[in-house]
Amino acid sequence: AQRVTQPEKLLSVFKGAPVELKCNYSYSGSPELFWYVQYSRQRLQLLLRHISRESIKGFTADLNKGETSFHLKKPFAQEEDSAMYYCALREESGAGSYQLTFGKGTKLSVIP
Amino acid sequence: DTGVSQDPRHKITKRGQNVTFRCDPISEHNRLYWYRQTLGQGPEFLTYFQNEAQLEKSRLLSDRFSAERPKGSFSTLEIQRTEQGDSAMYLCASSSYGGSTYEQYFGPGTRLTVT
Repeated sequence: AQRVTQPEKLLSVFKGAPVELKCNYSYSGSPELFWYVQYSRQRLQLLLRHISRESIKGFTADLNKGETSFHLKKPFAQEEDSAMYYCALREESGAGSYQLTFGKGTKLSVIP
Repeated sequence: DTGVSQDPRHKITKRGQNVTFRCDPISEHNRLYWYRQTLGQGPEFLTYFQNEAQLEKSRLLSDRFSAERPKGSFSTLEIQRTEQGDSAMYLCASSSYGGSTYEQYFGPGTRLTVT
């Protein structure tokens, strides 16, 4: 079965410092990887997906199949980045499954 | 359309009672998902509908849990004979069909407390 691991429950960084939220996965095929974010008192929302190879709010994430990782990075943290971040995996397209498997989440706190 | 809505937002019930939650997806979305989230954990998949057909069920979904989507629009999740271990946030999400990528849009959740 697939598994997603986020090793840090809490990550505190100073404003302007680089951020890296770690995500490792266990899956034998070619999964789709996502980062979801939940700001205080808001619902869970998609931040970015590996297929799009896009930068959202300054965040990027590269899928490293060799290391089975999908770490989320931002060069300069902003206070508004403080939130709960979840890494999620979907089985490869065509496998017939649409469920997402989530990690336990990392709470990012940006210190002013 | 303001997104996925869930009702109620909070539910407190006594052990052994039955509860039912409702989810209204984004109107043009034909896929609907239920997840459960307990404290300190990420959301865990429960079940998935495409239109009115329930296509996937997790082993987490015991026989006390039942979900329906009778007309392919809103969905209900019922928990019979609730137990304290059922206390959690129940999340609903929806997505559209087709395309090479998709995004699940989440509702605000229903927080269940079983006393």
